Amino acid sequence: AQSVTQLGSHVSVSEGALVLLRCNYSSSVPPYLFWYVQYPNQGLQLLLKYTSAATLVKGINGFEAEFKKSETSFHLTKPSAHMSDAAEYFCAVSEQGGSEKLVFGKGTKLTVNP
Amino acid sequence: GAGVSQSPSNKVTEKGKDVELRCDPISGHTALYWYRQSLGQGLEFLIYFQGNSAPDKSGLPSDRFSAERTGGSVSTLTIQRTQQEDSAVYLCASSRGDRNEKLFFGSGTQLSVL
Repeated sequence: AQSVTQLGSHVSVSEGALVLLRCNYSSSVPPYLFWYVQYPNQGLQLLLKYTSAATLVKGINGFEAEFKKSETSFHLTKPSAHMSDAAEYFCAVSEQGGSEKLVFGKGTKLTVNP
Repeated sequence: GAGVSQSPSNKVTEKGKDVELRCDPISGHTALYWYRQSLGQGLEFLIYFQGNSAPDKSGLPSDRFSAERTGGSVSTLTIQRTQQEDSAVYLCASSRGDRNEKLFFGSGTQLSVL
């Protein structure tokens, strides 16, 4: 069965600094990988997804993530944090050819300091 | 409507009572998911529907929890004999059906069991 581990329940960065949110997955078959974001008092929305095309995936708002099979990782990055990036970020995995369900990590809350 | 609609948005109930939570997915979306979001626990998968069938109900915590979907559209999550540990935000999401499709989330039902 697939699972996701997000290292760091809280991450704090300064405005303009690099954002790095870590995600490691476990899957017995090739995975589909997703990052979702939940802004304060809003519903979850898709940030980006990996579906076995390019390993470097670009998403909305300047975020990107790189699929590294050897490290079973799908870390989320953004070169320069903006105050509006403050939110909770969730990594998720589903299995190609396996269960239909999408399994989420516990989330990382990003704080951006002025 | 344009998005996933959930009702009620808030529900306060007494321990031992039954509750019904409703989800109206986006028209034409064949896949429907229920998740539970508790503080610090991320999104916990409950059940997945494809059409009116539930191929994966492995996340339902106990036999007090049940869900159905009718007409390939509206879904109802029922919790019988509610307990305080059932207090959480219950999220519904829908998608076009393939496992690599993005999920569209509703705003959730905040359930409080006193």
